[in-house]
Amino acid sequence: RKEVEQDPGPFNVPEGATVAFNCTYSNSASQSFFWYRQDCRKEPKLLMSVYSSGNEDGRFTAQLNRASQYISLLIRDSKLSDSATYLCVAIYSGAGSYQLTFGKGTKLSVIP
Amino acid sequence: EAGVAQSPRYKIIEKRQSVAFWCNPISGHATLYWYQQILGQGPKLLIQFQNNGVVDDSQLPKDRFSAERLKGVDSTLKIQPAKLEDSAVYLCASSLWKGPSTDTQYFGPGTRLTVL
Repeated sequence: RKEVEQDPGPFNVPEGATVAFNCTYSNSASQSFFWYRQDCRKEPKLLMSVYSSGNEDGRFTAQLNRASQYISLLIRDSKLSDSATYLCVAIYSGAGSYQLTFGKGTKLSVIP
Repeated sequence: EAGVAQSPRYKIIEKRQSVAFWCNPISGHATLYWYQQILGQGPKLLIQFQNNGVVDDSQLPKDRFSAERLKGVDSTLKIQPAKLEDSAVYLCASSLWKGPSTDTQYFGPGTRLTVL
């Protein structure tokens, strides 16, 4: 099965810092990508989709690099409330085949 | 809007016993997913239903795990018999399914299974 790899961290950053996570995927035919956020002992929640042209939502920016097969998440001006595990997802859907894979997640701790 | 409901929230069993989990998706959501999340890892997709049909069950250990979605709504996931390595959180998610590029999944709170 094709894999999705993430640096597990933890990333410990001070409030106000900018932090970036990368996620690599091995299935070059993957078409759809997402970032989910998971708080400790809670369920994952969608943070943002990742579009080919890159997309921004407030302090969060997601980018896709198909040539190098990775997606990234940039968080600017980190808040204490950003502390969580960030999961990336890659989806391949084709004729007779479907594959949805989560990465293991990157843990972020924002410290005062 | 009510979210994805799961029960039970916690379950402790001994190895070789059987266990079943229940999921009620968000009303109107055609797609339902079951995931296994072992501590420190990301969710692993076990099975995905589109209405009553199975889209993907390639990672479901079919010798011991089974799942069904009757009438395209509620779903149950069963493990029989359980092994120690089945200890994990079992997450159910649902989505409207407008296509893979716009498919937002909504997760339930999960069932935390401990196998002794």
